[in-house]
Amino acid sequence: DIQMTQSPSSLSASVGDRVTITCRASQSINNFLNWYQQKPGKAPKLLIYAASSLQSGVPSRFSGHGSGTDFTLTISSLQPEDFATYYCQQGYSTPTITFGQGTRLEIK
Amino acid sequence: EVQLVESGGDLVQPGGSLRLSCAASGFIVGSNSMSWVRQAPGRGLESISLIYSGGNTFYADSVKARFSISRDNSKNTLYLQMNSLRAEDTAVYYCARALLHFGVVSGFDYWGQGILVTVSS
Repeated sequence: DIQMTQSPSSLSASVGDRVTITCRASQSINNFLNWYQQKPGKAPKLLIYAASSLQSGVPSRFSGHGSGTDFTLTISSLQPEDFATYYCQQGYSTPTITFGQGTRLEIK
Repeated sequence: EVQLVESGGDLVQPGGSLRLSCAASGFIVGSNSMSWVRQAPGRGLESISLIYSGGNTFYADSVKARFSISRDNSKNTLYLQMNSLRAEDTAVYYCARALLHFGVVSGFDYWGQGILVTVSS
């Protein structure tokens, strides 16, 4: 199975900060990489698909980049509602789909 | 408005069975690929089963031969039959719609609220 590794596992930041989360695949997955946001007690929410395409309704402060094995999710200016856990997910090996272990973004 | 509502979660003893339901509105389950994703307490996300719009099914190794995904088009509902349950199956179970692009999951765009399954004696 393709392993997805996120870094950091947790991150403290302040409102207004620019933050970047990294996701690395154990082999090339082209651009078949998606990002999700999950708040406590809630279902995940799709933010970015195909590495860099913004899902409808998602604020433009979220952006994704990357291809092959290395990907990033960037939040350009953190808002209070952005403090959550973020997951990457590869679809390259559909139907065997794997998620990263998550990055918890906390308020500093 | 698209909505997915899961039901059927419960406390069950090891070795027992349970069937989860996921009632959809706002789109046709049978015309879409659907998935079950679970999340053990305090842990990450695990995709465990997928049913393609054409009806083919897939299972992760962790649930293969024990779980079965199906759908009832007349009820617009997705199911997950879980047999031979183990303590490690304890999790919140989500149903989700899978977007496929050239046969690749390009995201799960709609999710249910999640339902808790607890396997314990």
